[in-house]
Amino acid sequence: DAKTTQPNSMESNEEEPVHLPCNHSTISGTDYIHWYRQLPSQGPEYVIHGLTSNVNNRMASLAIAEDRKSSTLILHRATLRDAAVYYCIPGPNTGFQKLVFGTGTRLLVSP
Amino acid sequence: GAGVSQSPSNKVTEKGKDVELRCDPISGHTALYWYRQRLGQGLEFLIYFQGNSAPDKSGLPSDRFSAERTGESVSTLTIQRTQQEDSAVYLCASSLPDRVKTQYFGPGTRLLVL
Repeated sequence: DAKTTQPNSMESNEEEPVHLPCNHSTISGTDYIHWYRQLPSQGPEYVIHGLTSNVNNRMASLAIAEDRKSSTLILHRATLRDAAVYYCIPGPNTGFQKLVFGTGTRLLVSP
Repeated sequence: GAGVSQSPSNKVTEKGKDVELRCDPISGHTALYWYRQRLGQGLEFLIYFQGNSAPDKSGLPSDRFSAERTGESVSTLTIQRTQQEDSAVYLCASSLPDRVKTQYFGPGTRLLVL
């Protein structure tokens, strides 16, 4: 899997948008970009994934750079429940694939 | 629909005892994974099942650890002669075979070995 670089932590206020960046400059052409988050004392939770085009779902949006060497997870209106560690995980989406979690970004949300 | 479930949610045991941890994956998910997360640390991959076979057992830390899966459904992770360093949260995840990086995790079993 490609190496990733994410900020150790970020802070946001409730109701504000949050942009969580991830650099994955060694990503291969067929690798997807998956994002997971882990809330305190819970297992990881799938958030979103994409290949080339920007993606939206009920949880978040994923903006993928044109060269695919970076991506940004966008939470449109942060809530206290969004406080978690966010991980970006590039890699193939077929064949056996264990998830390799890096250190991620710890998001702190203030009321 | 129902998500991944794990039991027990918490387990306290004495050093040297055997423990069994259970995972019920999402129905129709033929891929099943076990991970371990020690306190304050990242996830460690333990073992992967595709159907009832386990093509990758590379993450099992020692021969005290074993896992099986029956009926392409329930999986059991067994730790024999538990040690204090086995204390961790044991997480199970499942996925569809063609979406192997979109894994759905259970709540985990918190194991404490005294």
